[in-house]
Amino acid sequence: ETGVTQSPTHLIKTRGQQVTLRCSSQSGHNTVSWYQQALGQGPQFIFQYYREEENGRGNFPPRFSGLQFPNYSSELNVNALELDDSALYLCASSLGATPTDTQYFGPGTRLTVL
Amino acid sequence: QQQVKQSPQSLIVQKGGISIINCAYENTAFDYFPWYQQFPGKGPALLIAIRPDVSEKKEGRFTISFNKSAKQFSLHIMDSQPGDSATYFCAASIDYQLIWGAGTKLIIKP
Repeated sequence: ETGVTQSPTHLIKTRGQQVTLRCSSQSGHNTVSWYQQALGQGPQFIFQYYREEENGRGNFPPRFSGLQFPNYSSELNVNALELDDSALYLCASSLGATPTDTQYFGPGTRLTVL
Repeated sequence: QQQVKQSPQSLIVQKGGISIINCAYENTAFDYFPWYQQFPGKGPALLIAIRPDVSEKKEGRFTISFNKSAKQFSLHIMDSQPGDSATYFCAASIDYQLIWGAGTKLIIKP
């Protein structure tokens, strides 16, 4: 059984560009949540996908969007990048979308916006 | 109201000692309180979790104490070991999302 994987590991973009981050969920998991973790801070919830539908969203602007595919892998897209978008982006998969479903995290994608 | 306040920001404990990390919240709608451990270069991993109808939960050397009336909960690590050196996050769940504390960097000195 493979764990949660994310790609790429690191990414450097310039302000105004667009970026796509990818996440492969753990086998059997139908829910993916995305988080932004700024340096020295706790993760901030971006959104959650359950069976290919957005299940909930945190306080992030619409330029943060996502997709979940039939195999339950997921993408996070960020348009019009800003300097403050520089962070570690984490995805987590779980067996279900309830609070007590343990979220298993990938190692993250480090995004730097110049 | 959606915040979870975590303290201390950093903590140094001697090997074999007890590490204690505290969290406080305001929103009484939070219904699940997990603790996560994160090593450098890795994603967080669930350590232990508690529901608000339970006052204490113990798993091995890790114990959560929960005070519903004070809206506080804490993580105790007994017999702390150098391998416990990591960043610890408390979190609180509401609906579909986790609200996280800012983290505590724990260093266990040999």
